[in-house]
Amino acid sequence: EVQLVESEGGQVKPGGSLRLSCATSGFTFSNYIMSWVRQAPGKGLEWVSSISSSSGYIYYADSVKGRFTISRDNAKKSLYLQLNSLRAEDTAVYYCARVAPEQFFDYWGQGTLVTVSS
Amino acid sequence: QLVLTQSPSASASLGASVKLTCTLSSGHSSYAIAWHQQVSEKGPRYLMILNSDGSHNRGDGIPDRFSGSSSGAERYLTISSLQSEDEADYYCQTWGTGIQVFGGGTKLTVL
Repeated sequence: EVQLVESEGGQVKPGGSLRLSCATSGFTFSNYIMSWVRQAPGKGLEWVSSISSSSGYIYYADSVKGRFTISRDNAKKSLYLQLNSLRAEDTAVYYCARVAPEQFFDYWGQGTLVTVSS
Repeated sequence: QLVLTQSPSASASLGASVKLTCTLSSGHSSYAIAWHQQVSEKGPRYLMILNSDGSHNRGDGIPDRFSGSSSGAERYLTISSLQSEDEADYYCQTWGTGIQVFGGGTKLTVL
């Protein structure tokens, strides 16, 4: 069974930093592109970032470029997102998602809430 | 620019059928999309991939009450024999080189 489990988020002050992780099981992690997607309270889904299987290709949404960093550890079957220079508008539930070979998201984590507030 | 447009809301009666629409932006009518379901307060769930020719492939455990079809730039999700647990937000998703795009979502109410 494919499982994606995000670490606990938390509350951070504006300008602060936080690191999210996503532990995976049930599939060969090193074979898949992985992504982060977020959802602000009461809003729709917003793609944040994607990383290729060997970390050779990394992409970011314009809204987080230069502030967030995606990474992965294939030996640990884990995905990470470093969030720096956080703003109130980064408040959201952050989801880890697996990308199928055809490029759509085929499995999702349960999400973790990040709140940016003073 | 790659954009997906969805109606904000839809409703249908228990046991009936409903057809949700996702529209691709101009110049992107050949793109495949994926449909996802999000029940309140939960993580999204992948439903199916839907190609421009209407062929579709459901995710693991998705019942055949969920089906897809296409016409030009429109992509449809039809849910038949509606059940109370189908009340959820439905999102379409597509992709380009280095980007992923979501529609704004349709909130389905089962009456």
